[in-house]
Formats: sequence, structure tokens, C-alpha cells
Amino acid sequence: KAGVTQTPRYLIKTRGQQVTLSCSPISGHRSVSWYQQTPGQGLQFLFEYFSETQRNKGNFPGRFSGRQFSNSRSEMNVSTLELGDSALYLCASSLAGSPVYNEQFFGPGTRLTVL
Amino acid sequence: SQELEQSPQSLIVQEGKNLTINCTSSKTLYGLYWYKQKYGEGLIFLMMLQKGGEEKSHEKITAKLDEKKQQSSLHITASQPSHAGIYLCGADMMETSGSRLTFGEGTQLTVNP
Repeated sequence: KAGVTQTPRYLIKTRGQQVTLSCSPISGHRSVSWYQQTPGQGLQFLFEYFSETQRNKGNFPGRFSGRQFSNSRSEMNVSTLELGDSALYLCASSLAGSPVYNEQFFGPGTRLTVL
Repeated sequence: SQELEQSPQSLIVQEGKNLTINCTSSKTLYGLYWYKQKYGEGLIFLMMLQKGGEEKSHEKITAKLDEKKQQSSLHITASQPSHAGIYLCGADMMETSGSRLTFGEGTQLTVNP
């Protein structure tokens, strides 16, 4: 069974631009969560999508948005990029999205650099 | 202060030695995950614990969740260089539907041959 895939693996953008990252969950998984990892703040939860609906949201500005498609693939978008958005963006998938019952598996991440 | 505190922040051990990493929460844990990460890469799932008193093992790694469900420990027996990396505990602190993990700051493990 293929794992969680994320594209692209690396991105370089300039301030003010926008970016879209993609995540394909493990086949059969319906929940996709997004996390931002930086040296200063560590791993922080962005949002979670389940059956095309945003179910949970972290404390990030509205510039960060996401969506999920009917095949469970998810995208996240960051508009008006700032230098501080440089980070490793990780997505995780799980079967039904409830940690109490389902394991979460992470993808390799997308390294975003904002110049 | 951090909702989920890991200790120690870094650990250097000689190959063959045992070691323990702790993860302490300020709230009840409804799901506790241990992951391993190589710098700049994705997280590798190690184990998930749900019930107080639960203990799981995989190869030379054992994780426990205490009875009160506010602390977990990860123990590595006879460490090897392949165990080196960053160990992260992640937890769900809400008894609601959905996934929203809070992570500790991580423990950097170095195993010297």
C-alpha cells in the first residue's frame, strides 16, 4: 500500500506570492490533517479535513486555507507569503480521523522557502 | 508553557545502552503517538497508545502510557546507530471527533558507535 505522498517536495517563492501544496492520503483514508514545522515553533496543527469538510482548525491566519476533494486528496494554499511562512509542511492521513481509534501517518513533507 | 513537555531535549548515548524519553501532558491524553523524524523529513509512525496503563513494543522500542493518562515514556533497549534521530510525542487532548495533535518539542537522540 502506498504511503502518504506530498507534492512538490521543495518550493522557493518570494514574499507576496501564493503557493498551493498537495497531499494524497493512503488509499481508503478519509481524513487529512496539515501541520507546519519550524525550528522556533515546532510542529503546529493547521487544519483537518474529513469527507471534504474542514473539521478542525488551528490558530493560523486566514492566509492559510485548504480543501479536500471527493477522492480525499487535499490541497493547502498560502496567500501573500511572508518570510515567516518558510517551513516544512506536513500532511497526515488517517482512516476516519479520530485519533482515539485511528493511527495517523505522515507524508515526507514539502519544504517551502520564502525569499 | 508547553502543553506537552518532552525530556530530555537531547540525549547522547553509547551504542548498546538503554535510554528513556518522557512525555508529560498538562491535560488528560485521549491518544498518544510516538514518531521518529530524521532532520527535515517526514515523521515515521512508531506507536499509538490509548488506554491508561497500556504498553506496546516494537523491536527494541517500548512505549507506556501511565494510568492517569498524563504521561508516556519511550524506552529503547540496546540502542543502535539506526535509532538516532528526533523522537516526537504527539497527543490528542480533546475527546471529540477529528484529528488535532499537539506535539512536544522533540528529543534529539545521538547514538555513538
